Amino acid sequence: GQQVMQIPQYQHVQEGEDFTTYCNSSTTLSNIQWYKQRPGGHPVFLIQLVKSGEVKKQKRLTFQFGEAKKNSSLHITATQTTDVGTYFCAELSNTGKLIFGQGTTLQVKP
Amino acid sequence: DVKVTQSSRYLVKRTGEKVFLECVQDMDHENMFWYRQDPGLGLRLIYFSYDVKMKEKGDIPEGYSVSREKKERFSLILESASTNQTSMYLCASSLAHSNQPQHFGDGTRLSIL
Repeated sequence: GQQVMQIPQYQHVQEGEDFTTYCNSSTTLSNIQWYKQRPGGHPVFLIQLVKSGEVKKQKRLTFQFGEAKKNSSLHITATQTTDVGTYFCAELSNTGKLIFGQGTTLQVKP
Repeated sequence: DVKVTQSSRYLVKRTGEKVFLECVQDMDHENMFWYRQDPGLGLRLIYFSYDVKMKEKGDIPEGYSVSREKKERFSLILESASTNQTSMYLCASSLAHSNQPQHFGDGTRLSIL
């Protein structure tokens, strides 16, 4: 079935270092949504990308959608302890279902 | 602001019991979803609903059923709970239109003994 692969599964960084998580699909993605789940919390919507090559920024977070719409990335510049959590990518199908990647759990050492 | 409320944050039940997990949303969303979340497996869709009295199987429906008698409420039912159903259960809702984000509840951590 349709799958969205996300890597890495875990990442430990020193506060101030950068962080990137990647999503890949073997098929063309119609869109990509990104969610963040804090420890003990629930997933919260961050952003959606729809267009080929699209780049969006939210403060220190940069989201990219590949030119071929088969991959996406989330990059965090100069991580802070508040960035700790699990980041999920997901494709929203035309039936309203979300197909989630496995998530990347980010730990930030102060 | 959208509010998705799950009836219990923590729940402990015994093998073989019938278990009800309740979810209510207050934003008149058409779509509602039930997921389970397990370490290393991400979020897996159990069932979803696009409208009242309507339901569709997700990726892992076995051992579960759902009920949507009212638009704002979506219930997940474990017909005969088993230990492999110990998990975090998340409810979500969204508008019917395309490209809409899902809004999640706080989750129910269910333990089956």
